Amino acid sequence: DADVTQTPRNRITKTGKRIMLECSQTKGHDRMYWYRQDPGLGLRLIYYSFDVKDINKGEISDGYSVSRQAQAKFSLSLESAIPNQTALYFCATSKTGVKGKNNEQFFGPGTRLTVL
Amino acid sequence: KNQVEQSPQSLIILEGKNCTLQCNYTVSPFSNLRWYKQDTGRGPVSLTIMTFSENTKSNGRYTATLDADTKQSSLHITASQLSDSASYICVVITGTASKLTFGTGTRLQVTL
Repeated sequence: DADVTQTPRNRITKTGKRIMLECSQTKGHDRMYWYRQDPGLGLRLIYYSFDVKDINKGEISDGYSVSRQAQAKFSLSLESAIPNQTALYFCATSKTGVKGKNNEQFFGPGTRLTVL
Repeated sequence: KNQVEQSPQSLIILEGKNCTLQCNYTVSPFSNLRWYKQDTGRGPVSLTIMTFSENTKSNGRYTATLDADTKQSSLHITASQLSDSASYICVVITGTASKLTFGTGTRLQVTL
């Protein structure tokens, strides 16, 4: 079974619709992240959470919100989707303070979102 | 501005050949550097991690080098296989806040 799962894997929606992307992990990690990937650009951080009560904005948080429902679950919402939010979205997890492998992030399979 | 630049953008090589991918970064303060492999339609997977004091790190047919003075890293792939076809992403990690700066990747295609 995959350690980091994302649902849905693909989604097509219309401008103005509310969309939620979900991420679950069985790795027991405390840190979770949401990124988007666009052609020709590196992955960019949207939001991150170091534990259930900790939520932080990344470099491109406008138009997005998140919820950390439990240590294992981190969801990303687009309140009113717009076409330039069409992208590949990745969830990632990491564990605090693992010596020798600090900051290694484990990525989910991605969600391809298209906003028409 | 913290940046990670990779070259070439794309590369096509014959199976069995070697290749080297480059990464230059301006990220500061430097904590460590990772190379990730991203297969089409999949999430990135870590290949190697290098800290400031490490010059070379190998993982099978993959060998990464780091020159912290010139802020350059390379990923050398030996005896390429069709399964090496993927994007290779250089990621530089800063400080203690787990801030990652991603390069745009090199898309490698290995052909027969």
